[in-house]
Amino acid sequence: AQSVAQPEDQVNVAEGNPLTVKCTYSVSGNPYLFWYVQYPNRGLQFLLKYITGDNLVKGSYGFEAEFNKSQTSFHLKKPSALVSDSALYFCAVRPSSGGSYIPTFGRGTSLIVHP
Amino acid sequence: GAGVSQSPSNKVTEKGKDVELRCDPISGHTALYWYRQSLGQGLEFLIYFQGNSAPDKSGLPSDRFSAERTGGSVSTLTIQRTQQEDSAVYLCASSPPRQGPIPYEQYFGPGTRLTVT
Repeated sequence: AQSVAQPEDQVNVAEGNPLTVKCTYSVSGNPYLFWYVQYPNRGLQFLLKYITGDNLVKGSYGFEAEFNKSQTSFHLKKPSALVSDSALYFCAVRPSSGGSYIPTFGRGTSLIVHP
Repeated sequence: GAGVSQSPSNKVTEKGKDVELRCDPISGHTALYWYRQSLGQGLEFLIYFQGNSAPDKSGLPSDRFSAERTGGSVSTLTIQRTQQEDSAVYLCASSPPRQGPIPYEQYFGPGTRLTVT
């Protein structure tokens, strides 16, 4: 069975500082990995995905994520946080072959960027 | 273009009543997913439709929950005899047709907030 862990319920960071939102996963074989963001009273919006190739993936709004196979991690990063980045962030995984086409989501991490 | 839409945006119902939640996916998207989002619980998968294939119902929590997708487009999630624990935000998502092994991301609707009193 596949699973995702987002070990931090909340991350606090000052505006202008770098941010990291952590994600680790468990899946059979190679993973497809996704990050989504949810603003209040909105659905989830896609940020970026890792399929294969370069371990550093760049996405929307200046976010990037680094795939680390040995640590089974896919942490979301941004060099300089904005107050408008404050939102709920979800990591998701599904296997690249076999298994289910249905992604499994983490429980979400609330990012709060202070002015 | 138009995104995924869901209706109603909010629904308050009494315990024991039936409710229907509607999802209009993006035109041309063959995959449709329903999720339930409860506070602090992340996204709980409910059901998955892919084209004309039989739906994957493995996430439905009880036989009070059912869903259908008519004409490969609009989907309705029905909850019968609602219970207070059904209170949550119900999210719908769609994805384009698969082309080879590369997965497309999901496009989510704004959700329906269901409150069972």
